This record gives sequence, C-alpha cells and structure tokens, in this order.
Amino acid sequence: EVVLTQSPDFQSVAPKEKVTITCRASQSIGTSLAWYQQKPNQSPKVLIKFASQSISGVPSRFSGSGSGTDFTLTIDSLEAEDAATYFCHQSRTLPQTFGQGTKLEIK
Amino acid sequence: QLQLQESGPGLVKPSETLSLTCSVSGGSISGSDYYWAWVRQAPGRGLEWIGYLYRGDNTFYNPSLRSRVTISQDASKTYFSLKLTSVTAADTAVYFCATYDSGYFDHWGQGTLVTVSS
Repeated sequence: EVVLTQSPDFQSVAPKEKVTITCRASQSIGTSLAWYQQKPNQSPKVLIKFASQSISGVPSRFSGSGSGTDFTLTIDSLEAEDAATYFCHQSRTLPQTFGQGTKLEIK
Repeated sequence: QLQLQESGPGLVKPSETLSLTCSVSGGSISGSDYYWAWVRQAPGRGLEWIGYLYRGDNTFYNPSLRSRVTISQDASKTYFSLKLTSVTAADTAVYFCATYDSGYFDHWGQGTLVTVSS
C-alpha cells in the first residue's frame, strides 16, 4: 500500500499570503496524484488532477506540482473561503490511498 | 449534472451488517465509464477508499475490508449499494458514494454518518 504523508498537519496563514502543502509518497506514483479541498460537513472537492493539471471551475490560485514521490499544492494569494482541510490522493496502485490531511486556518 | 445521494440506517449494532445505497440522478450507471465508489471518513480522520464497481460486475475492494465488503448495482441501474458485514466501532464513519474517473473522484454524495453502537 502506498502511504501518503502530508505536511504540515495544520497551518495558519493570513489572507493574501501564499500557502504550500506537501505530500510525500512511500513509493513512486508518477503523476497519479490529485488534491482535494474539504470544508466542514461537506464532501471533498477535487482541485488538481495528475499532480499539476487544473480542474474546470477551480480558481487559478490553486496549482500543483511534482512527480514520483514528492508533490506540492500551492495556493497563491489566500482568500478567507480557502479555510478547509486539504487531502492528496494517489490512484497509481490499489488500494487507492489518501494523505492524512492538512487543516488550513485563515488568520 | 450527475448527482449522488446516500441513504441507509444511521445506527448499526456491533456484529451486524451495514447497508447503504447511493441513488444516482442526472446520469446512468450502466454503460458509463465511471467507477462507482464508496469512500469513508472516520470522525476527525482522513479518507479511506472502500472500493468501487465498474461496468456492472467488476469490483475492486480495499484489501483491509475485502473479506467483509460487497458493492453491487441494482438491476434498475439507478443506484448502487454497499454492504459491510460484522461491523465494529471502528467502522463508525461518514460514508460517501462517489464517481471515479481518470485519476480522481469527481462527483460526491453529501455523505451519511453511520454509527456502530449497541
């Protein structure tokens, strides 16, 4: 099973700042990684597919990068509505797995 | 626009079977290239892939649950189901149904909380 480890677990950032969340895989997964945003009492919403590909309707301030074992989600110019928990997800091998989540608080 | 909605009991006794259905509207299960999936999230925890169904009778399960889980499609093809046998408190979670396609889960139900308790 591929273990995904996110860092940090929690981050508090002021509006308009830049946020970086990392996801490290226990083995190479190519670019088979997606990022999701989950707000309290809601289902997850996909932000990025295949490590760096954008999703229609997702604000352009969200971007992804990486391949192999190291991946990054970047949020440029943070907005209040970005307060949420962010998860990475790998689909390279079964079982599909998720990172433990990074909770983002807006100062 | 595809919409998914979970339904089922919110409370299940230990050792019994958890049964949930996911109603699909705005699209059809049959003939679709989607994988029809179940994902769960224990309180305050991360997400866990349970398994999915593809083209009617192809199922893929998380090995950690394989001996207890069944995902199936209704003959009407308007909903699919999850059965998890011999539940314990560790199975208490919000259960989501979702579609999986080309590397990510795109459509999600709102989720339903299932508590395992006597």
